[in-house]
Amino acid sequence: GENVEQHPSTLSVQEGDSAVIKCTYSDSASNYFPWYKQELGKRPQLIIDIRSNVGEKKDQRIAVTLNKTAKHFSLHITETQPEDSAVYFCAASGGNTPLVFGKGTRLSVIA
Amino acid sequence: GAGVSQSPSNKVTEKGKDVELRCDPISGHTALYWYRQSLGQGLEFLIYFQGNSAPDKSGLPSDRFSAERTGGSVSTLTIQRTQQEDSAVYLCASSLAGGGSEQYFGPGTRLTVT
Repeated sequence: GENVEQHPSTLSVQEGDSAVIKCTYSDSASNYFPWYKQELGKRPQLIIDIRSNVGEKKDQRIAVTLNKTAKHFSLHITETQPEDSAVYFCAASGGNTPLVFGKGTRLSVIA
Repeated sequence: GAGVSQSPSNKVTEKGKDVELRCDPISGHTALYWYRQSLGQGLEFLIYFQGNSAPDKSGLPSDRFSAERTGGSVSTLTIQRTQQEDSAVYLCASSLAGGGSEQYFGPGTRLTVT
């Protein structure tokens, strides 16, 4: 089955700097790669996703890149703000198979 | 429209008792998932229902855990003979289709076993 590895487990950045979180997956059949943000005490919410037919997707300060050959994908947050502080989860799925989540990255943005 | 709802929001039970946790998915969503999240930890997959297919129970940690989904809508997660290590937040999520579509999470049920 699918296995998703996520790094780093914790990340601290200064406000205004960029943050990068990386994930690798094992199943070459996976074709859907979402990222979820979970603020303290709240439920996870989708912030961006990418499908295997594109290599990059951007939404304002957030971008995701996908390298199918290497089986890895990354989340990039630019101009970080204190409200970006949260736990971020990557995930992968092959369509009708359930999403497999990484173990999460705790991002702290220091003002 | 209405999102995913879960009840109860908090449940405190004594070790050895059975508990039932309820999830009401978004109307029309064919896929439903249960996860367990211990404090400060990740999302542990428990079970996945997709349409009329047999559920994927591969994540259930022991035979004390079971889940049903009646009429393709409401789901109940049952934990029998609860143990202290069962204490966690239990999250339900639903999606329009299978794994390749956005999951919408409920607020979770915080279970405390004393």
